[in-house]
Amino acid sequence: QIQLVQSGPELKKPGESVKISCKASGYTFTDYAMHWVKQAPGKGLKWMGWINTYTGKPTYADDFKGRFVFSLEASASTANLQISNLKNEDTATYFCARSGMMVPWDAWGQGASVTVSS
Amino acid sequence: DVVLTQTPPTLSATIGQSVSISCRSSQSLLDSDGDTYLNWLLQRPGQSPQLLIYSVSNLESGVPNRFSGSGSETDFTLKISGVEAEDLGVYYCMQATHAPLTFGSGTKLEIK
Repeated sequence: QIQLVQSGPELKKPGESVKISCKASGYTFTDYAMHWVKQAPGKGLKWMGWINTYTGKPTYADDFKGRFVFSLEASASTANLQISNLKNEDTATYFCARSGMMVPWDAWGQGASVTVSS
Repeated sequence: DVVLTQTPPTLSATIGQSVSISCRSSQSLLDSDGDTYLNWLLQRPGQSPQLLIYSVSNLESGVPNRFSGSGSETDFTLKISGVEAEDLGVYYCMQATHAPLTFGSGTKLEIK
């Protein structure tokens, strides 16, 4: 079955970096875009951007330009999110979600928790 | 950016009751390709969001048909015809017509 499995929780200090992975299975990885969504504790959902899994081209929402990088390990059907120079406000759960032409947003990862604290 | 305003923010329902959630957009979500990219998601407590409805009214596979979506342009509604206990959680509308993609602020459904 279709699955997106994300990496485990992370505890980081301000200024450090973190890399979150999202491993896809059960479908052809390059047939679907991969989106990233942030959910701060007790808050709603915020779209961070997406990566074209066929070309590798990332697109970032304005609030996520600069310290955030989307990348792929296509041979491993994995999408990655790297956040550098972590700040307290990066504390959140980060979700990956696939979206296709026919049915969008039909599969989500379980979420990866990142806590930034000194 | 497109602002999606969801009402009510919270909803309390008994089992079997029918409820509706409204999602109003600050601009038309009708795309130039003729489709309207308005989706509804449910996030149960401690879980990741799941797709319920896509493109206004299309029921995602495996989602019970007590869920239905309607609307056009700027006004959209999610209806649950006969709430069940498993329906508790936060419902979000989201639009993918205009970049950046945006989500509504959510409607929390509680079961009485």
